Amino acid sequence: AQSVTQPDARVTVSEGASLQLRCKYSYFGTPYLFWYVQYPRQGLQLLLKYYPGDPVVQGVNGFEAEFSKSNSSFHLRKASVHWSDWAVYFCAVSLDTNAYKVIFGKGTHLHVLP
Amino acid sequence: EAGVTQSPRYAVLQEGQAVSFWCDPISGHDTLYWYQQPRDQGPQLLVYFRDEAVIDNSQLPSDRFSAVRPKGTNSTLKIQSAKQGDTATYLCASSDWGQDTQYFGPGTRLLVL
Repeated sequence: AQSVTQPDARVTVSEGASLQLRCKYSYFGTPYLFWYVQYPRQGLQLLLKYYPGDPVVQGVNGFEAEFSKSNSSFHLRKASVHWSDWAVYFCAVSLDTNAYKVIFGKGTHLHVLP
Repeated sequence: EAGVTQSPRYAVLQEGQAVSFWCDPISGHDTLYWYQQPRDQGPQLLVYFRDEAVIDNSQLPSDRFSAVRPKGTNSTLKIQSAKQGDTATYLCASSDWGQDTQYFGPGTRLLVL
């Protein structure tokens, strides 16, 4: 069955350090993948999305993600974390090309130390 | 442009009580989604509409849950006879049909005692 696994429930990094949030997916066929961010007391916002093509996808606020078919992964990266990046990050896979039905992972809480 | 709005922001009720959640999508968006997000979990799709029509409600947990969108704009999600297991945040999202980006509201946090 299609699924998304985010193995790290919580990640703590220092401000200015680099970041990688891990995501593994299970999907039969061509996956359409997303990263969403949920800031405190706000709704989810789309960071970036992957459709078949260039495996490295650029998003907002300096985030990027790399798709790997061989590893079934879609990890999120940022070169230098800012305190405002403190949030919960969700990886998701769409069951259709228009993303009507999306399966989300459990999320990774990112804590940023000053 | 106003985003997706939801009310109430919080609800606390006893088991057996009914509750309704209201969602106002982004103006012009014809597709509306309801999600349930238990604590420390990702959102799980409950139902989605195109205009006033239900496209898929197969993930509504039980007959206790119902959702309507009578005029193809605002929507109401209702839980009859709530149970403790319904404790979660209920999210509404909207989009243009055929577009892959969903825009989420802030959610309604439900606690069932």
